[in-house]
Amino acid sequence: EVQLLESGGALVQPGGSLRLSCAASGFTFSTYAMSWIRQAPGKGLEWVSSISASNGANTYYADSVKGRFTISRDNSKDTLYLQMNSLRAEDTAVYYCAKDRRYSISSGNFDYWGQGTLVTVSS
Amino acid sequence: EIVLTQSPATLSLSPGERATLSCRASQSVSTYLAWYQQKPGQAPRLLIYDASSRATGIPARFSGSGSGTDFTLTISSLEPEDFAVYFCQQRSNWPPGSFGQGTKLEIK
Repeated sequence: EVQLLESGGALVQPGGSLRLSCAASGFTFSTYAMSWIRQAPGKGLEWVSSISASNGANTYYADSVKGRFTISRDNSKDTLYLQMNSLRAEDTAVYYCAKDRRYSISSGNFDYWGQGTLVTVSS
Repeated sequence: EIVLTQSPATLSLSPGERATLSCRASQSVSTYLAWYQQKPGQAPRLLIYDASSRATGIPARFSGSGSGTDFTLTISSLEPEDFAVYFCQQRSNWPPGSFGQGTKLEIK
């Protein structure tokens, strides 16, 4: 059974930093692209960042987080990360990690999602 | 930027009825459109990808259609567990792609 378990969400002040983790199990983690998608309270879904399968050589970011967030993966630990710096109030959201639907390719469809971790940016 | 507009914002129906949800793209996305279901406090679940392909484990009462700019998610006969929020998503310009704002399907 595929499982994705996010952690690391917290209350942080504007300008602060946070690192989110997503522990994966039930599939061969290294062979799938992975993504972070967020949802502000009561709002819709917003794609944040993606990383390619295998060595994660290719990373992609939404314009709203480019230069502030860094996605990475550790295949030896089956874990996905999101380093978030220079946080702003508008980054407040539940952050989901999600597995790409297609093997080895970053297709932009997500077939498994974690339960999410809440990041609140407020003074 | 490709904008997805979902309609209606809220749809009130009874169990057993047929539900028809719409998603319109601001420009053609070919058939690169997916549908997700989200229940309160839960993560989204992939229902349909590439406009009409059901994801693994999704019941046959869910079907998708359309191409270009107009897409439809149809639930043939509503079950109590189908009342949720539904999002469409396009990957024509992936990344970033984009999501619609959602349609809430509520019990009448």
